[in-house]
Amino acid sequence: GNSVTQMEGPVTLSEEAFLTINCTYTATGYPSLFWYVQYPGEGLQLLLKATKADDKGSNKGFEATYRKETTSFHLEKGSVQVSDSAVYFCALLSNFGNEKLTFGTGTRLTIIP
Amino acid sequence: EPEVTQTPSHQVTQMGQEVILRCVPISNHLYFYWYRQILGQKVEFLVSFYNNEISEKSEIFDDQFSVERPDGSNFTLKIRSTKLEDSAMYFCASSGGLNYNEQFFGPGTRLTVL
Repeated sequence: GNSVTQMEGPVTLSEEAFLTINCTYTATGYPSLFWYVQYPGEGLQLLLKATKADDKGSNKGFEATYRKETTSFHLEKGSVQVSDSAVYFCALLSNFGNEKLTFGTGTRLTIIP
Repeated sequence: EPEVTQTPSHQVTQMGQEVILRCVPISNHLYFYWYRQILGQKVEFLVSFYNNEISEKSEIFDDQFSVERPDGSNFTLKIRSTKLEDSAMYFCASSGGLNYNEQFFGPGTRLTVL
């Protein structure tokens, strides 16, 4: 079945540091890949997505590239801010008519001033 | 910007009681979902719903659970006899329109079973 493996957290960084949160997946076919963010006390918000190999999703300074050869979709940001503190979830959606999102365990990110 | 809404934001109930969680999906969406997140754990799929019927359900979604779209706007999740282990955050999501593979999530209902 489908699965998503995310780097364990929590991750604590200083403001303006470079961020990488690793995500790898197992799926048949050609899934779509997503990063969702959950700010404290809020629901899940779509941060970015990529629907085919070599696509790069980007939003709010975050980027992730769909790498089929390494089955990865790592999230990166060049300079994090305190407001980026949240839990980040990597997820995939199978393109075999299976509509459910499969999530990773989530990575809690804390940015300190 | 259209959004998914959920009520209540927090529900406290006694073990064995029935609860109904309510969701209003985005109006032109056709696919509806429920997920849950036990505190500190991953988000898990419960059920998907399309064309007035369940299209897929997980092993978590047993006979104690049911979903319904009672009118043109609401989408509900009912738990008939709650257990302690049903305590979780329940998220409703919907998808459809041009970006058919994007699921938009509501803010969640925190269910606490005592």
